[in-house]
Amino acid sequence: DAKTTQPTSMDCAEGRAANLPCNHSTISGNEYVYWYRQIHSQGPQYIIHGLKNNETNEMASLIITEDRKSSTLILPHATLRDTAVYYCIVKAAGNKLTFGGGTRVLVKP
Amino acid sequence: DTAVSQTPKYLVTQMGNDKSIKCEQNLGHDTMYWYKQDSKKFLKIMFSYNNKELIINETVPNRFSPKSPDKAHLNLHINSLELGDSAVYFCASSQGGRPFTDTQYFGPGTRLTVL
Repeated sequence: DAKTTQPTSMDCAEGRAANLPCNHSTISGNEYVYWYRQIHSQGPQYIIHGLKNNETNEMASLIITEDRKSSTLILPHATLRDTAVYYCIVKAAGNKLTFGGGTRVLVKP
Repeated sequence: DTAVSQTPKYLVTQMGNDKSIKCEQNLGHDTMYWYKQDSKKFLKIMFSYNNKELIINETVPNRFSPKSPDKAHLNLHINSLELGDSAVYFCASSQGGRPFTDTQYFGPGTRLTVL
C-alpha cells in the first residue's frame, strides 16, 4: 500500500473549517484514500473514503486532487469534540488497514 | 445501541495469568478483527475472522487464541500473560466476506495492563 505523509499536529478554531492535508504521491490506481480518527481513549472511527471523486457525508468532505497524489479532509465546522488524531490511510480493497502516525488536531475555543 | 462492543473496558492482571476479552457486533457483519495498539499508539492487525473461520493470523504468539462462537462474536483469550502484552486491544467488524474489503468499524477498546 502507498505510504502517506501527514502533518504531526495542527490547531483549529472552534466553528471554523478544519482542512487536514495528506500526501500519497505513490498511490496506485486501485488504492482508496480512507480517513479515520481516534478520539482519546476511544476506538478508531471511520470518517470517509474515496477513490477518485470528491466525497461528502454527514461528518466531512474529502477532496482528492486530480492526479490523486494528495487529498484534504475537511471538517466544515469544527467543534471541541472533533479534537482527535486523524489518520489518512491509502489501501487497496482486500489489503489490511495500516495506521501511521496521523495528525493530532486540537480544536480550540 | 453500540455497534461494536467490548468487555471489559479495563483489565489489570498479573503476569502468567490467563484472561479473555469479549467482542460483539450487532451490525450483521460477516468479518471481525482484533487489533493491538501499543504504547506508541500504532494499531496493528492481529486476527481476522469471517463467519466463525480464521482468515488471517498476523504472526501473533500462540498464547493468543481467538474464538468465534458465531459471526456476531469474536473473543480473544490470552494465556500466560506477559508484560509486553500490555496494550489497548480493539475489536472491529466489516460487512463483506473478504477481510479489509469493506469499511471497518471499531469497538471502544480494552486496556490491558499486565503487572
